[in-house]
Parts: sequence; structure tokens; C-alpha cells
Amino acid sequence: GAGVSQTPSNKVTEKGKYVELRCDPISGHTALYWYRQSLGQGPEFLIYFQGTGAADDSGLPNDRFFAVRPEGSVSTLKIQRTERGDSAVYLCASSLRAGGVDEQFFGPGTRLTVL
Amino acid sequence: AQSVAQPEDQVNVAEGNPLTVKCTYSVSGNPYLFWYVQYPNRGLQFLLKYITGDNLVKGSYGFEAEFNKSQTSFHLKKPSALVSDSALYFCAVHGISNYQLIWGAGTKLIIKP
Repeated sequence: GAGVSQTPSNKVTEKGKYVELRCDPISGHTALYWYRQSLGQGPEFLIYFQGTGAADDSGLPNDRFFAVRPEGSVSTLKIQRTERGDSAVYLCASSLRAGGVDEQFFGPGTRLTVL
Repeated sequence: AQSVAQPEDQVNVAEGNPLTVKCTYSVSGNPYLFWYVQYPNRGLQFLLKYITGDNLVKGSYGFEAEFNKSQTSFHLKKPSALVSDSALYFCAVHGISNYQLIWGAGTKLIIKP
């Protein structure tokens, strides 16, 4: 079956612009996660959705970052007033159940470059 | 605070030899432990997990890992390495009371023919 997909695969933007990153999880997966991965580092947790609601958004670095999952499937990560330090690969993952015991299935990521 | 340490940036092994990739963790309460692999230009893939039960966990592609509570370790192992095992390996952990998966910095595994 289809895995997790993310669009776009690459996004280049200018400092100060607004960007949206999209994630399509595996159908039927309840939990959805966003991570950020910088070169040479492991993924950094950003936010976790259980259904439509954000169960834990404590990893969002500041109020320029926001994510939604209005119908409990597709999610969008939104970044306002982008800064050069936001440049990273943004990863989305989904898992069948909430609670953390299930393995997460990852998308290929969106590489964001802020010039 | 929860943390994961992968002490080796890179591990080099000859094909056919056993391999070990090390991971130690710090978490409150009982840990949920995971290993993932990242091949070049591909997404992270799940290898195996420890939730409870038998300390020796078997996973995909012939990999296994041993949970050692006293040493707070969860080392990844394989009896006989393949060149195709060359990739970036990540250990991750979270505690029972939250959903944040905390990741190590990764270990680059290089298997030489």
C-alpha cells in the first residue's frame, strides 16, 4: 500500500516568507508526527497529533510554527516569517495507534532552504 | 530529562563480520526503545523495538538488539554484516508517560567488502 507522502520534496524560499509543508499519512493511521532534521543530527520532535487534535506541540520552536490536521488525515506544517535557521529537512511520520508503542512510518521529507 | 547517546559517529566493519552499533539512554520509568535505519535519499525505516518482555529483540534484515536495564543500553547487532547494511542508524527512546520520541545523533555504518 501507499506509504507516507510529503510535498513538496524541496522548497526554496526567501527569508521572511511564509511556507506550507504537507503530509499525507498512511490511511487509517491515528497518530501523526512532525520532526525536523538538520545535517548530522537525529530528528527533533516538533508536534504530535492524535486524530485531529495536537496532543503535544511542545517541540515547536516558537510561535512562527503552526500545524493543523483538520480532518484527522492530511496535516500541514506552516512556518511564518521564515528565517535562515529554519533550513532543515522536515519529516512527517504516522503510526497506527496513539500512545507511542507502534513503530512510526516516515515520509521522504521536505528539504526547506531559506535564503 | 530524556536523552539518547550513540557514542560512535561511525562504525567500520568488514563484510561477513559481526557488527554492533551502540546506544545508551536516560528516561524516567520504563523505556520504549527503537532502532531506525536511513539509507541515502530514502526515508527512515523501522528496524525493531523493545516495549516489554524478552530482552533480546529480533527485527528486520537480520538485525537484533539487546535491552540491558542495568546498563541502560540497547545495542544493535548483526551476526554477519552485508555491504548493503551500510547506512545511517538511529536509536530512539520515549518514556511511558509521553509521546515525544527522543533520537540519538545517528551512527554511520560502513561495511567494507
